Parts: sequence; C-alpha cells; structure tokens
Amino acid sequence: GAGVSQSPRYKVAKRGQDVALRCDPISGHVSLFWYQQALGQGPEFLTYFQNEAQLDKSGLPSDRFFAERPEGSVSTLKIQRTQQEDSAVYLCASSLISAGTGNEQYFGPGTRLTVT
Amino acid sequence: GENVEQHPSTLSVQEGDSAVIKCTYSDSASNYFPWYKQELGKGPQLIIDIRSNVGEKKDQRIAVTLNKTAKHFSLHITETQPEDSAVYFCAAGIIFGSGTRLSIRP
Repeated sequence: GAGVSQSPRYKVAKRGQDVALRCDPISGHVSLFWYQQALGQGPEFLTYFQNEAQLDKSGLPSDRFFAERPEGSVSTLKIQRTQQEDSAVYLCASSLISAGTGNEQYFGPGTRLTVT
Repeated sequence: GENVEQHPSTLSVQEGDSAVIKCTYSDSASNYFPWYKQELGKGPQLIIDIRSNVGEKKDQRIAVTLNKTAKHFSLHITETQPEDSAVYFCAAGIIFGSGTRLSIRP
C-alpha cells in the first residue's frame, strides 16, 4: 500500500522567504511526527500530533516554525522568514496507534530544503 | 534532556563478517528502542525494535540486545551482505543517535 508521502521533495528558498512543506501520512494512522535532519546527523524531533491535536512542540527551534494537522490527516510544516541554518531535510513519520512516542514509525522520503 | 550516543560513526566489515553498533541513552524512563536503516535519498526505515521488558530480540540476521541497568543497547548484523551498506540509527523513543555509516567490503 501507499506509504508516507512528502512534497515537495526539494525546495530552494531565498533567505527571508516563507515555505510550506506537506506530509501525507499512511491512511488511518493516528500519530504524526516531524523531524529535522541536518547533513550527516540523526533526525531531531520537532513536533508530534495525535489526530488533529498537537501534543508536543518542544522541538520546534523558534517561533518561525509552525505545524498544523487540521483534519487529523495531512500535515503542513511552515517556516517563516527562512534562514540559512534552516537548510536540512525535513522528515515526516506516521504511526498507527496513539500510545505516545513508543511505537513503530513509518517515515516519508523527506523534503530537502536549501536556503540561499 | 534525553541524549543518545552511538558508536562507531563509521564501520567497515568484510562481506560475511558480523557488524556491531552500540548506543547508550540517558533517560531511564525510556522504554522503546528502535533501529533504523537509511539509504541515500530515503527516509529511515525501521529494521528492528525492542521494548524495555525484553533483553534480546532476533529477526533473521539482525539481533538487538538491551541492558536497562547500564542503559545501553546494541545492534548485531551477522553474515553481512553488500545490501547492508547504509547509515544505521538507534533511537530511544523519538531521540536519535548520530548514526553509523556501515560499509561492506566485497
């Protein structure tokens, strides 16, 4: 079946521009996670949704980062006034059940954001 | 906050030999320890996981061990094959290690 999809796969933004990254989780998956992966590093947790509720946003690096999942399925990660340090791969993952962060996650291919 | 350390950062083994990757974590409340394989241009893929009520788990050529007292866990890959070449990440819940680049020499 279809896995987690993300769009766009690549995004180049000029410094100061706003960007929106989309994640389509596996149908029926309750939990959705966003991660930021810098080159050569492991993914770093940004935020977590259970259905439409954003239960944890402790990993968002600044108030320029905003995520939403208004209908409990598709999610959008928005970055305002992009800066060069925002350049990274942004990964989305979904999980079938809602028992917090201790369950199998399925990752999308990521969106590679380059800020010039 | 929670921290996961992973070693080694790079590992090269002869095809057919075994590979071992080790991780330690800091939060004693952690209870879920997945391992992921990431190939170039792809997202991480779960290959095996272990929960805190289990000490060892095996799936074909892959095994994971967990020592909760010492707060460390390890991935063992036996009879390595060229397709095992990738970057491997351990995690404690949603906190990831920094990765191990595994290369299999023919």
